[in-house]
Amino acid sequence: SQTIHQWPATLVQPVGSPLSLECTVEGTSNPNLYWYRQAAGRGLQLLFYSVGIGQISSEVPQNLSASRPQDRQFILSSKKLLLSDSGFYLCAWWSALNTGELFFGEGSRLTVL
Amino acid sequence: AQSVTQLDSQVPVFEEAPVELRCNYSSSVSVYLFWYVQYPNQGLQLLLKYLSGSTLVKGINGFEAEFNKSQTSFHLRKPSVHISDTAEYFCAVSDVDGGFKTIFGAGTRLFVKA
Repeated sequence: SQTIHQWPATLVQPVGSPLSLECTVEGTSNPNLYWYRQAAGRGLQLLFYSVGIGQISSEVPQNLSASRPQDRQFILSSKKLLLSDSGFYLCAWWSALNTGELFFGEGSRLTVL
Repeated sequence: AQSVTQLDSQVPVFEEAPVELRCNYSSSVSVYLFWYVQYPNQGLQLLLKYLSGSTLVKGINGFEAEFNKSQTSFHLRKPSVHISDTAEYFCAVSDVDGGFKTIFGAGTRLFVKA
C-alpha cells in the first residue's frame, strides 16, 4: 500500500533562519507531488506541484522554493524565513492510477518567531 | 481557473441533528469535486468524491453530497451527526484535464455539541 511521510512534524525557527521540510512517498511510482500551506481560517493554499523529477511549478510568488531530487521525494525550502511563513504545511500526492483524489501526509507545523 | 466557496466558516449543531455544509464552485471546464475532513493537527482524508454519473454520492462515516451542475454546488449532508464528527471540512475541485491541481475552499468548522 501507498504511504506518505512528512518531517519534521513540528518546528520553531527564528526569523531569518533556513528551512527544510521533507516529504517522501512509498508504494507508488511517478506520482504528482504537492505542497500546500494552511493558515488559520484561510483553507489550503497550493504552493508548489511537481509532475516529475526536477519539474517544479510555483503557484504563488513567495519566500519559499521546492525541489524534487528523486521520484518520490519532495522538499520545501527557504533561505531566510519570515514571520508570515508560519503555518501548517501539507504534502500530498496524486497518481494516474487513482481516481482523482489527493493523499496527504500528517503535516508539519512551522512557527517562526 | 477554478474557485471554491464554502459559505459557512463555522457550523454548530447538536448531536443527532442533521447538518448541511454548503459548497459552491466556479469553473470553465469539467471538474471533479471532493469533500475532505481534517481532524486537529492531522492531514486531510477523503470523505467522498464526484467524478461522473449519479449526482448523489455517498462517502465514509454516513456523509453524502449532491452535485448540482446548474447551481454549481456540491453540498455535504449527514442526517444525524455524532460528537466524533467535530472537525474541519474542506470542499475541493480539480480539473479533469492535465495537471490535476486541486483547489480548496476555506473550510467549514463543524462543531457538534452534546
